[in-house]
Amino acid sequence: AQKVTQAQTEISVVEKEDVTLDCVYETRDTTYYLFWYKQPPSGELVFLIRRNSFDEQNEISGRYSWNFQKSTSSFNFTITASQVVDSAVYFCALSEAMRSGGGADGLTFGKGTHLIIQP
Amino acid sequence: EAQVTQNPRYLITVTGKKLTVTCSQNMNHEYMSWYRQDPGLGLRQIYYSMNVEVTDKGDVPEGYKVSRKEKRNFPLILESPSPNQTSLYFCASSPTGGWTDNSPLHFGNGTRLTVT
Repeated sequence: AQKVTQAQTEISVVEKEDVTLDCVYETRDTTYYLFWYKQPPSGELVFLIRRNSFDEQNEISGRYSWNFQKSTSSFNFTITASQVVDSAVYFCALSEAMRSGGGADGLTFGKGTHLIIQP
Repeated sequence: EAQVTQNPRYLITVTGKKLTVTCSQNMNHEYMSWYRQDPGLGLRQIYYSMNVEVTDKGDVPEGYKVSRKEKRNFPLILESPSPNQTSLYFCASSPTGGWTDNSPLHFGNGTRLTVT
C-alpha cells in the first residue's frame, strides 16, 4: 500500500530564513507521481508541483525548490528566503499510476506540515 | 475560467438530516473525486469516479454516497449524517485520472460541514 510521511507537524521560522519540508513515501509501484500542495489559511488547495518517478531532476521555481531522491524515497521541498505569505499547511502526496484492474487511483496525502513564518 | 465549484462553502446540520454537497466542474474532466480533511490525518479519499456512471470507493466511504449521472457533476450525499462526519470536504477533478497528461487534480474551495 502506498504511504506518505511528513514527519514535521509544525515548523516555525523567522522571515528570510530558508526552510525545508520533508516528505518520505512508500510504494511498490515503479511508476508513480509525487505532488506538493499548499493550503493557505483561506483553505483552498493550491497545486505546486508534480514529479513522475522517472524524472529525478531537481526543480527550482523562484524561491521554491524540490529535491527528489528515489534512493531514499524522499521528495523534499525547500523555500529559500521565506516570506510571511508562505505561511500555510503544505501537503505532499503520492499517486501510483496504475492499480490492478488498470484504473488509476487518487492521491494519498501526508498529514501535512504547518509552516509558520514569523515577521 | 476553469474551475471546480462546490456548494455550500459552510454547512451546519443536525444528526440524521440528509444533506447533499454539490460539485461541478467546467473543464470536461472525466475523473472526479471527493476527499475529507481532518486535523492530524491529512486528506483521505472518500469516493472517486472515472467517468459517467462509474464510481468506486476510496479509503473512507462509509456513510457516504455519490452519483455521476453527468460528466460535470459529482454530488456527495450523506443520507444520515453523524458528528464524526464533521470535516472539511474537497471535490477534485482531472482530465483522465490516469496521470498520462500533465494535469494535476484541480480542487474546489472546500465545504466545511458541522454535524451536531
